[in-house]
Amino acid sequence: NAGVTQTPKFRVLKTGQSMTLLCAQDMNHEYMYWYRQDPGMGLRLIHYSVGEGTTAKGEVPDGYNVSRLKKQNFLLGLESAAPSQTSVYFCASNLGDSGARAGELFFGEGSRLTVL
Amino acid sequence: GQSLEQPSEVTAVEGAIVQINCTYQTSGFYGLSWYQQHDGGAPTFLSYNALDGLEETGRFSSFLSRSDSYGYLLLQELQMKDSASYFCAVSGSARQLTFGSGTQLTVLP
Repeated sequence: NAGVTQTPKFRVLKTGQSMTLLCAQDMNHEYMYWYRQDPGMGLRLIHYSVGEGTTAKGEVPDGYNVSRLKKQNFLLGLESAAPSQTSVYFCASNLGDSGARAGELFFGEGSRLTVL
Repeated sequence: GQSLEQPSEVTAVEGAIVQINCTYQTSGFYGLSWYQQHDGGAPTFLSYNALDGLEETGRFSSFLSRSDSYGYLLLQELQMKDSASYFCAVSGSARQLTFGSGTQLTVLP
């Protein structure tokens, strides 16, 4: 059981380039999320999805787009990368129930992006 | 909006007990979660409180007071491997979490 898998794990971009981060989960979870984490800070929500074909903005959505064409995949796109988008990006998923583990997110290992 | 406050650093010795507090301001509160993160690795889930009271999971316990917008994580019998960052987070309606800035716990021998 792989859980949540992110690709790529490392990437260096030049300003203005575009790229897509892929998140895949094999737990049949309904909800998926993209967060970014900057040094010494907590995680900030970029976009999220409550099911296949749905997306919603989080706290810091500007400069990013997402798609959830299949339930198991959640893609994060940077159309024109900027140095301010240098960060570690984490994907996460949640079963979507309302039980005792409603607050449990399963995270991927992170994707470290540097924009020069 | 939502905001959370937790101490930036806590230091304790091996075998001791440490409490990490978290206060929050939020609209539409659904629950308070706690996560552990080692050296920038994947955050891992520790506990979740939706109702007032204490939840115990092994050496870790978490407490919530909804009326005080306050919670804490209690770590007992500290071990060196507990040195990590600990984050509190509040849940929204879609289980999306808003995280605090984290508390760096250092366990000394």
